[in-house]
Amino acid sequence: SQKIEQNSEALNIQEGKTATLTCNYTNYSPAYLQWYRQDPGRGPVFLLLIRENEKEKRKERLKVTFDTTLKQSLFHITASQPADSATYLCALLTTDSWGKFQFGAGTQVVVTP
Amino acid sequence: NAGVTQTPKFQVLKTGQSMTLQCAQDMNHNSMYWYRQDPGMGLRLIYYSASEGTTDKGEVPNGYNVSRLNKREFSLRLESAAPSQTSVYFCASKTGGAFFGQGTRLTVV
Repeated sequence: SQKIEQNSEALNIQEGKTATLTCNYTNYSPAYLQWYRQDPGRGPVFLLLIRENEKEKRKERLKVTFDTTLKQSLFHITASQPADSATYLCALLTTDSWGKFQFGAGTQVVVTP
Repeated sequence: NAGVTQTPKFQVLKTGQSMTLQCAQDMNHNSMYWYRQDPGMGLRLIYYSASEGTTDKGEVPNGYNVSRLNKREFSLRLESAAPSQTSVYFCASKTGGAFFGQGTRLTVV
């Protein structure tokens, strides 16, 4: 069966440090992978998209890597701030999914001053 | 520019009642989605529409129907609500990254 797995344990991190989140998948042929941020009571907000032939993408303090051999994406928040506290979701669009994309359950990040 | 607008924001239904969740987007996107989000289970795809007039089942379509009325609007209907359908429902539209509405919190008692 197809699975997208994110660490269910909250990541507690001190302000200024780098937070690293993991998204692992099985039995997918990925076309591209996305990362979203979700705040309590709100809908997810799109952050970054990385295609299967790209190794790394950056946007401001965010960096995403995509390793199709390991079937894994890493999401980094550098110089983290308390305002970065949220749940971060990865989502995968596959080559055979006809436009449908599947989400992981998300990892909560808590940045303390 | 409103993005994706969902109505209502909150709803309480009795078991067996029906209702329609409305979704409209003003970004001229072809693809639209309905997801439900439950604690510990993440977002699960209910239905998907690649373009006006087309719909496709997602991971959890049972108990739901959809209508892609035009390019802007994609509605989700619960014909006979059940307590298992208590959830937060999100509509999204997409080109590249997806844009989500604020969600509808539905409780079925």
